[in-house]
Amino acid sequence: KNEVEQSPQNLTAQEGEFITINCSYSVGISALHWLQQHPGGGIVSLFMLSSGKKKHGRLIATINIQEKHSSLHITASHPRDSAVYICAVPYSGGGADGLTFGKGTHLIIQP
Amino acid sequence: DTEVTQTPKHLVMGMTNKKSLKCEQHMGHRAMYWYKQKAKKPPELMFVYSYEKLSINESVPSRFSPECPNSSLLNLHLHALQPEDSALYLCASSHQGAGGYTFGSGTRLTVV
Repeated sequence: KNEVEQSPQNLTAQEGEFITINCSYSVGISALHWLQQHPGGGIVSLFMLSSGKKKHGRLIATINIQEKHSSLHITASHPRDSAVYICAVPYSGGGADGLTFGKGTHLIIQP
Repeated sequence: DTEVTQTPKHLVMGMTNKKSLKCEQHMGHRAMYWYKQKAKKPPELMFVYSYEKLSINESVPSRFSPECPNSSLLNLHLHALQPEDSALYLCASSHQGAGGYTFGSGTRLTVV
């Protein structure tokens, strides 16, 4: 089973700041997922990436397969970005085996 | 339809009750999952169904019984639960072997 470490666990920032959340994992993977969870509980998939970089609006995700490390960046942060951001990797080996989740980063953006 | 629908959204049950959680998707995904999430913890994988067959059971107690009647529907039957089973139960689906995951909004279960 893959081990996933996320940092920081909690992050409070001012509106407009550039945010970085880091994720590292122990075993080589086919793809890594970044997810967002709001207080109501529902989880939204933000990115799935296996190499390089992806961008969607103000969100950017990067991955370094050799170093087993990924980052999620938020540019021009806004209070509506406040949520828990979770990094996840395949549970075992890849395929459709489900996901192993990091502990999440609780992000608060203050106006 | 690009959603995973879970019902009910909230459930309170006694320790002697029998209840079921339901999950439905119409995206043609052939893999479906149950996760359990305790407060302030990440989700933990419980069961994986692949092409309507149980492929992963993560040592879940037998008081939780999954069922996949067809490729669009996933149930979780609950019986004789304990208060420590109170949690958010999340369902998800994905294309077999590829692609991202789609999550339902969860069922918040309280066992009294």
